[in-house]
Amino acid sequence: AQRVTQPEKLLSVFKGAPVELKCNYSYSGSPELFWYVQYSRQRLQLLLRHISRESIKGFTADLNKGETSFHLKKPFAQEEDSAMYYCALSGTLSYNQGGKLIFGQGTELSVKP
Amino acid sequence: NAGVTQTPKFRVLKTGQSMTLLCAQDMNHEYMYWYRQDPGMGLRLIHYSVGEGTTAKGEVPDGYNVSRLKKQNFLLGLESAAPSQTSVYFCASSLQRPDTGELFFGEGSRLTVL
Repeated sequence: AQRVTQPEKLLSVFKGAPVELKCNYSYSGSPELFWYVQYSRQRLQLLLRHISRESIKGFTADLNKGETSFHLKKPFAQEEDSAMYYCALSGTLSYNQGGKLIFGQGTELSVKP
Repeated sequence: NAGVTQTPKFRVLKTGQSMTLLCAQDMNHEYMYWYRQDPGMGLRLIHYSVGEGTTAKGEVPDGYNVSRLKKQNFLLGLESAAPSQTSVYFCASSLQRPDTGELFFGEGSRLTVL
């Protein structure tokens, strides 16, 4: 079964501090992993996907298949990074499995001045 | 450019009443989804559709029904609402499979069941 776990409900850091939002997954096939973000009073939107190996707004995420993790990192947090962050997994085992995206519980990031 | 539009945005129901949430997208997307968002539970997939005329169950389908008669619309129905269905409901759509494509979300519909 697909499962995504984000162990921290709330992460509070000061501006300029490094940030790491944890994400662990469970999936028997080859997963595709994503981070979505929901800023206050805005729609949920894609932040980045592991397949692109990109850095968006200073955030990066590395897929570690050995540890089944996809942690989101940023070296220097900014106040505008405060938001709810969701890790998500999509399966590719079959057509039906590949039609859905499963989210974790979410981590609220609060960056204090 | 409307994107994904959900109606209604707010609704209060009494236990046992029925209602339908409408999701409309104007991006010609094949895939559509209904999620519910609850504190501490994150987003949980209720039902989804991989194309017009198709639907499939997600993680928490009980108590809900869906229909995708037209490509641009995905309806979520509650036949007999229960307080446990109090939640914020999000619709999303994507052009490609979610393992390769981005999901676009609506603004959410807040439902309270008394």
